[in-house]
Amino acid sequence: GDSVTQMEGPVTLSEEAFLTINCTYTATGYPSLFWYVQYPGEGLQLLLKATKADDKGSNKGFEATYRKETTSFHLEKGSVQVSDSAVYFCALPNTGNQFYFGTGTSLTVIP
Amino acid sequence: ETGVTQSPTHLIKTRGQQVTLRCSSQSGHNTVSWYQQALGQGPQFIFQYYREEENGRGNFPPRFSGLQFPNYSSELNVNALELDDSALYLCASSLESPSYTEQFFGPGTRLTVL
Repeated sequence: GDSVTQMEGPVTLSEEAFLTINCTYTATGYPSLFWYVQYPGEGLQLLLKATKADDKGSNKGFEATYRKETTSFHLEKGSVQVSDSAVYFCALPNTGNQFYFGTGTSLTVIP
Repeated sequence: ETGVTQSPTHLIKTRGQQVTLRCSSQSGHNTVSWYQQALGQGPQFIFQYYREEENGRGNFPPRFSGLQFPNYSSELNVNALELDDSALYLCASSLESPSYTEQFFGPGTRLTVL
C-alpha cells in the first residue's frame, strides 16, 4: 500500500546551518506530495506541496522537489533559524484524499 | 475566514468510559477527516466524512465512530476507552475534489486515559 518513510530524528542544528530531511514514498500512480510542520503544542500546518514530478514546492525558505525517479521528496533549507524548531512530517494522499504521514522528524535549532 | 476549531482542548477520562470530541470545519469545506497522533508518532487516519456519510476508514476498531452534521461540523466518539487511546486527536477539513487537495488541521484535542 501507499506509504512514506522519513528520516529518523531528532535533528539538532546550529542557527544558519543547512537542513535536509529525507522522505521517500511508495505509491500507485503519481500523487501530490506534502510537507507539514507541527510547532510545539499546535496542530499541523501545511509547509509546502508539489503536485507532479519535477515540481518544486517552496515556502518560508524551505524547498522540496518531487523526484519520480528516486521516489523522494526531501525537505531542504539553506539557513535554519531558531524559529524553525518543530516537527516536520512528509505526507501523501491516497485516492480518497486520506493522508498517509511519516513518523515525523523533530528539529531543534540552537542559537 | 474561520479556521478549523476543535473542542475540548484537553480531556481526561478513565478506562472504559466514553468520549465525544468535536470539530468545526473551515468555512466552505465539506469534508472532515479525523486522525489519531500518539506521542512521538505521525498522525494515523481514523476516518473521513463527506456529505454526512463515512467516506473511508483506517485501521481502527468499531468503537471509534463519528458523525457529520449538515453544517459540515463533525464528532468523533470513542467507546470503552483503553489506555492506548491516549493521544492527540486531530481534525482536518478539506474540499472534496477529484484531485488531491490540502487538508487544514485544527489544533487538536489531547485525550488522556487513566
